[in-house]
Amino acid sequence: GDSVTQTEGPVTVSESESLIINCTYSATSIAYPNLFWYVRYPGEGLQLLLKVITAGQKGSSRGFEATYNKETTSFHLQKASVQESDSAVYYCALGEASSFSKLVFGQGTSLSVVP
Amino acid sequence: EAAVTQSPRNKVAVTGGKVTLSCNQTNNHNNMYWYRQDTGHGLRLIHYSYGAGSTEKGDIPDGYKASRPSQENFSLILELATPSQTSVYFCASGERLGGPYEQYFGPGTRLTVL
Repeated sequence: GDSVTQTEGPVTVSESESLIINCTYSATSIAYPNLFWYVRYPGEGLQLLLKVITAGQKGSSRGFEATYNKETTSFHLQKASVQESDSAVYYCALGEASSFSKLVFGQGTSLSVVP
Repeated sequence: EAAVTQSPRNKVAVTGGKVTLSCNQTNNHNNMYWYRQDTGHGLRLIHYSYGAGSTEKGDIPDGYKASRPSQENFSLILELATPSQTSVYFCASGERLGGPYEQYFGPGTRLTVL
């Protein structure tokens, strides 16, 4: 079946350091996967951070970026310099471009950025 | 701004009791979803709906019912709650409006079944 695997948390990073959260996917029933990163800040619902619908393309938002790599079936999230306000849980998700799209989520990676 | 709201935000229930979780969206989206999220698992789809009057089973529907009485409202019903249903529940609405499909999530309901 379709699945998403991401970096096991919790992850702790010092402020201003770089970050990478790995995400790999298996899309056995989805012909043209769309890939998403969602973020959940404490006490809030999930928010879309970035999305990419075409293999080879890069998405970016709030200093984060991720490239959709079809060859390695990966969609790693990166940021060059993290801030305390980036502390949150990050979810990689796989979906399809249809009128109804079920999202398949990774297990989430909890990130703490310390001063 | 369009939003998805959930009530209650926290709920403690007893085993065998009935629990109703409510969701309201002002996005005017046709599709709505209920997920649960447990430690070590991603969000897992329980039920979803294409519009008022429709409900469909997701990946883990056992022990849950859903109700979509209107475009705006989507409820998740646990007729006989069990401790294994202790979890955080997220509601979402979604639509494909000329671009990639997106879902918009509520803040979550933390349910504890004792």
